[in-house]
Amino acid sequence: DAGITQSPRYKITETGRQVTLMCHQTWSHSYMFWYRQDLGHGLRLIYYSAAADITDKGEVPDGYVVSRSKTENFPLTLESATRSQTSVYFCASSESLGQMNTEAFFGQGTRLTVV
Amino acid sequence: KQEVTQIPAALSVPEGENLVLNCSFTDSAIYNLQWFRQDPGKGLTSLLLIQSSQREQTSGRLNASLDKSSGRSTLYIAASQPGDSATYLCAVRPSSGNTGKLIFGQGTTLQVKP
Repeated sequence: DAGITQSPRYKITETGRQVTLMCHQTWSHSYMFWYRQDLGHGLRLIYYSAAADITDKGEVPDGYVVSRSKTENFPLTLESATRSQTSVYFCASSESLGQMNTEAFFGQGTRLTVV
Repeated sequence: KQEVTQIPAALSVPEGENLVLNCSFTDSAIYNLQWFRQDPGKGLTSLLLIQSSQREQTSGRLNASLDKSSGRSTLYIAASQPGDSATYLCAVRPSSGNTGKLIFGQGTTLQVKP
């Protein structure tokens, strides 16, 4: 199916474990993003990627690692999960930057609970 | 630092009423502003995108306006229906920094009562 998909949709993990959230898009968009959504903070950017093998930090990158070996995939890894990383994580993609009509598209989200 | 504010945080209206959701932003240096809808436990669905050079965009019963100089956008929903109940988020794409990131407001949760 065309679009942007995230997996898993729900995940419970223990403090200290490593967990990877997957994101896959079928549009061949250059740019991909990871946001987290928390009550009281709204959506905040964790990391973004301009192309394969090009990534950069967003607003709240600590405790997270990303990679992008292929254009269509942008996994997010929590190296050692903490309770403060309990959140809903959204992946997004857009075709290009610098264009006023560039639209961002979001996945369905992954609800992560760290116990 | 760009900040986006949405007022009110929650709104409850009877079915059929026309309503306006407000979004304000502090820095007018933006490429565009996007309105999203989020249903409980779901992802974000893009509703409308207004380029910085545009004044408004329409899609069905939705009309979004943009006044960049005053840092304001409104989302007008005509003849509201219970199916419109959701959280509405606005987000701006800053034209500085060239990161492509969106800055989001906290959202307005709308309930349309039958």
